[in-house]
Amino acid sequence: QVQLVESGGGVVQPGRSLRLSCVVSGFTFSTYGMHWVRQAPGKGLEWVAVISYDGGNKYYADSVKGRFTISRDNSKNTLYLQMNSLRAEDTAVYYCTYMQHWGQGTLVTVSS
Amino acid sequence: DVVMTQSPLSLPVTLGQPASISCRSSQSLVHSDGNTYLDWFQQRPGQSPRRLMYKVSNRDSGVPDRFSGSGSGTDFTLKISRVEAEDVGVYYCIQGTHWPPYTFGQGTKLEIK
Repeated sequence: QVQLVESGGGVVQPGRSLRLSCVVSGFTFSTYGMHWVRQAPGKGLEWVAVISYDGGNKYYADSVKGRFTISRDNSKNTLYLQMNSLRAEDTAVYYCTYMQHWGQGTLVTVSS
Repeated sequence: DVVMTQSPLSLPVTLGQPASISCRSSQSLVHSDGNTYLDWFQQRPGQSPRRLMYKVSNRDSGVPDRFSGSGSGTDFTLKISRVEAEDVGVYYCIQGTHWPPYTFGQGTKLEIK
């Protein structure tokens, strides 16, 4: 069955960096565009970034543009999100998804 | 950016009764390819989101047929014909026609009265 498993979350100080990973199985990863979506505690869903099936095109929400980088390794069935210059407002559960299926999420807490 | 506005934001419903959630977009969601990229998601308490409907009215695999989606242009609706206890959660619409960015509605919290 389809599985998306995020990892890499944790507590980090403002201004520092973190890299999230999402390992997928059960579908042909290399043929799907992939997204990161986040959810701040007690809040709604916010789209963060999308990458095309081959990694050639990437788009970001204005709130993360210039700080976050989405990437993928199709040989490893893995999606990444490099997060730099983290802010308190980046605190959220980060989900990896291709919309039809979602991971369980990984919590990122930005706090001093 | 396209703004998605859901109503109501809170929806108390009696078990077995119907429920309806509205999602309005700030501009038409008809894509140049003729499709309308409006999806609906359910997020049960403590769980990840789950897609219920795609392209307005197409039900995802495993979604009960008591869920239906309708609408066109800027006005869309998710209906539950008879609410069951497992339907409790927050429902979101999202547009994927005019991106970036993809934009979600604020969410509608369905609870049992």
